Amino acid sequence: GQQVMQIPQYQHVQEGEDFTTYCNSSTTLSNIQWYKQRPGGHPVFLIQLVKSGEVKKQKRLTFQFGEAKKNSSLHITATQTTDVGTYFCASQGGSEKLVFGKGMKLTVNP
Amino acid sequence: NAGVTQTPKFQVLKTGQSMTLQCAQDMNHEYMSWYRQDPGMGLRLIHYSVGAGITDQGEVPNGYNVSRSTTEDFPLRLLSAAPSQTSVYFCASRGGGGGSNQPQHFGDGTRLSIL
Repeated sequence: GQQVMQIPQYQHVQEGEDFTTYCNSSTTLSNIQWYKQRPGGHPVFLIQLVKSGEVKKQKRLTFQFGEAKKNSSLHITATQTTDVGTYFCASQGGSEKLVFGKGMKLTVNP
Repeated sequence: NAGVTQTPKFQVLKTGQSMTLQCAQDMNHEYMSWYRQDPGMGLRLIHYSVGAGITDQGEVPNGYNVSRSTTEDFPLRLLSAAPSQTSVYFCASRGGGGGSNQPQHFGDGTRLSIL
């Protein structure tokens, strides 16, 4: 079945640093969704990418869909303590099922 | 607007006991699903439903049953709880029917411990 792999699984950054996390698939994806889960909370939808090469921004977060639609990236500029949490990518690949990656847990050193 | 409501929020069971995790949504969403979340494993799909009367298995369905008699409700049943089912369970729903790429809305989760 379709799988999406997230790297790295853990990321620790100093407040103010930039970093990028990646979501990769061996198959072409119809879309990619990103979710954020705060500690002790539930996943919350952030954004969806559909088109090849698509780039979307939400304040300090930049999301990109690869040209081949097999990978996606999330770049956070000037990380803040409010960015702490686990970030998931997910994709359907044409079926009803939404398959999630294992997540990237972000911790921030103030 | 309540969104997706899960009950209970916490539960402790003994091995072999049965219970039902409740999930209700008030957004008239056709698609509903159950995930379990374990450390380092991400969100794994247990069962899902594309509409009332229709259910299907996800990645890890063994030990769980579901039914979908109404659009609003999608309960998850553990018939004979095992320690391996200790986890956090999330119910989610989305609009647009089967194959839709609408975002999923998650409940607050049920933290279940099996002793």
